Parts: sequence; C-alpha cells; structure tokens
Amino acid sequence: KAGVTQTPRYLIKTRGQQVTLSCSPISGHRSVSWYQQTPGQGLQFLFEYFSETQRNKGNFPGRFSGRQFSNSRSEMNVSTLELGDSALYLCASSSIPGKETQYFGPGTRLLVL
Amino acid sequence: KNEVEQSPQNLTAQEGEFITINCSYSVGISALHWLQQHPGGGIVSLFMLSSGKKKHGRLIATINIQEKHSSLHITASHPRDSAVYICAVRLGDTGNQFYFGTGTSLTVIP
Repeated sequence: KAGVTQTPRYLIKTRGQQVTLSCSPISGHRSVSWYQQTPGQGLQFLFEYFSETQRNKGNFPGRFSGRQFSNSRSEMNVSTLELGDSALYLCASSSIPGKETQYFGPGTRLLVL
Repeated sequence: KNEVEQSPQNLTAQEGEFITINCSYSVGISALHWLQQHPGGGIVSLFMLSSGKKKHGRLIATINIQEKHSSLHITASHPRDSAVYICAVRLGDTGNQFYFGTGTSLTVIP
C-alpha cells in the first residue's frame, strides 16, 4: 500500500504570494490532518478533515485554509505569505480520527523570501 | 506555557545503553502518542497510549494518567535509534488535534 504523499516537496515563494500544498492519504483513509513545524514553535496542529468536513482547527490566522475532496485528497492554502510561514508542512492520515495511528507524509518544505 | 513538557531536550548515549525519555502534561488527555522524527523530516508514529504500557521490539512506552506522565524507553540502544522523539497529547474527543512536546534529540554513539 502506498504511503502518504505530499507535493511539492520543496517550494520557494516570496512575501505576499499564496501557496497551495497537496496531500494524498493512504488508500482507504478518510482523515487527513495538517501540521506546521518550525524551529521556534515546533510542531503545531493546523486543521483536520474527515469525509470532506473540517473537524478541528488549530490557532492559526485565517490566511491558512484547507479543504478535502471526495477522494480524501486534501489541500491547504496559505495566502499573503509572511516570512514566518517558512516551515515544514506535514500531513498525516488515518482511517478514523483519533482512534488509530496516524501515518505521516514526508512533508513540504516551504521557504518564504 | 506549553501543555506538554519533555525531558531531556538532548541526550547522547553509548550503543547498548538503556534510554529513558520523559513527557509530562498539564491537562486531561484522551490519548498520548510517541513519534520519531529522523533527519530530513519524516515522522513515524511509534505508540498510541491511553493507559498502561506498550512494547514494540526494543521500545517500551508507559503512561500514568493520575500523574500525567509518560516515558519512552529504548533498550539496547543502537545508532539507528538516533532521531528526535516527540510526545503528543490529544485532549478529549478532538480527533487528531494534538499538542506536541518540543522533542528530545537522541544521538547514539557506536
């Protein structure tokens, strides 16, 4: 079974631009969560989707948004990029939210210049 | 204030040593996870605990709900165990909304 895939793996943007990151979960998994990891703040929860519905959202500004499609693939979007948005963005999937192990993707490393 | 505290932050051990990483949390939780992150970023979920103890190979994880404390033990450590170990807690029925510790960076020297 293929693991969680994320695209792109690396991305360089400039301040003010927007970016869309994609996550394809393990086949059969309907829960997708997104996390941001920075050297200063560590890992932080962004949001979680299950069956195309956002179940939970972390403490991030409205510039961070996401969605999930009917095939469980998920995208997250960051608008009006700031330097502080430079981070590793990880997604993870599970079959049932909170009840089972999450499987993490390799991450997308975003650099904002 | 971080709801999840890990210790130590950094740990260097000789191959074969027994290693303990600690995690304390200040809120009521429904589950605790131990994660392993290798250089390059890839994260693997090692354990999900809500009570008691779990063992997988050389890894053992325990949790004491009353004391709000969990430990991850590595027996007969090996250089391939070198990684960052992260404790994550889930509050109530919040799906996969986790609060994370800052991680323990482990280096095992041959």
